Amino acid sequence: AQTVTQSQPEMSVQEAETVTLSCTYDTSESDYYLFWYKQPPSRQMILVIRQEAYKQQNATENRFSVNFQKAAKSFSLKISDSQLGDAAMYFCAYSLTGNQFYFGTGTSLTVIP
Amino acid sequence: DVKVTQSSRYLVKRTGEKVFLECVQDMDHENMFWYRQDPGLGLRLIYFSYDVKMKEKGDIPEGYSVSREKKERFSLILESASTNQTSMYLCASSLQAPFINEQFFGPGTRLTVL
Repeated sequence: AQTVTQSQPEMSVQEAETVTLSCTYDTSESDYYLFWYKQPPSRQMILVIRQEAYKQQNATENRFSVNFQKAAKSFSLKISDSQLGDAAMYFCAYSLTGNQFYFGTGTSLTVIP
Repeated sequence: DVKVTQSSRYLVKRTGEKVFLECVQDMDHENMFWYRQDPGLGLRLIYFSYDVKMKEKGDIPEGYSVSREKKERFSLILESASTNQTSMYLCASSLQAPFINEQFFGPGTRLTVL
């Protein structure tokens, strides 16, 4: 099975500041998909951002952006101008075919007012 | 608005009981998945299905079975519940390749086995 590693079980950020969540993965494939999901407390998991490995340009969605380093097998998530609503568990995920997804263990983000 | 629903948010069962967790999606997705989520372990795949009546074992299928009789419905069955199956269970669905896309998740069922 593929492995996805999130080495930061917990992170905190001051409101309006920037925070970066780390993710590394292990694969021998060259074409695959990476995702960041957000799970707010007691709420449904939702997609934050996705990246196709064949694209060199880093994906961006409003205040969320990724730093995709293919050679290093690294896929970090940057949250700018952090808001209280960003407090959640964040999961990094990898998929090769779309038929199976592999998730990291998650990073719990606290936003301090 | 796309939606994945699960039959219960909270469930309490006794050891040895047969437990059914139901999941329904309204997006006409081919793929459906059952995960369990435990603190420090992330999401672990139990089973997935890529078509009606088709199923594939995930990483932790022991003690579980699944049923997919209709495209929109995917059931997880605990034949004889045990305390180590106390967990959060998440259902998800997605389009099939070549449409590599996100998974859409249900709200989860928190199962407690006493």
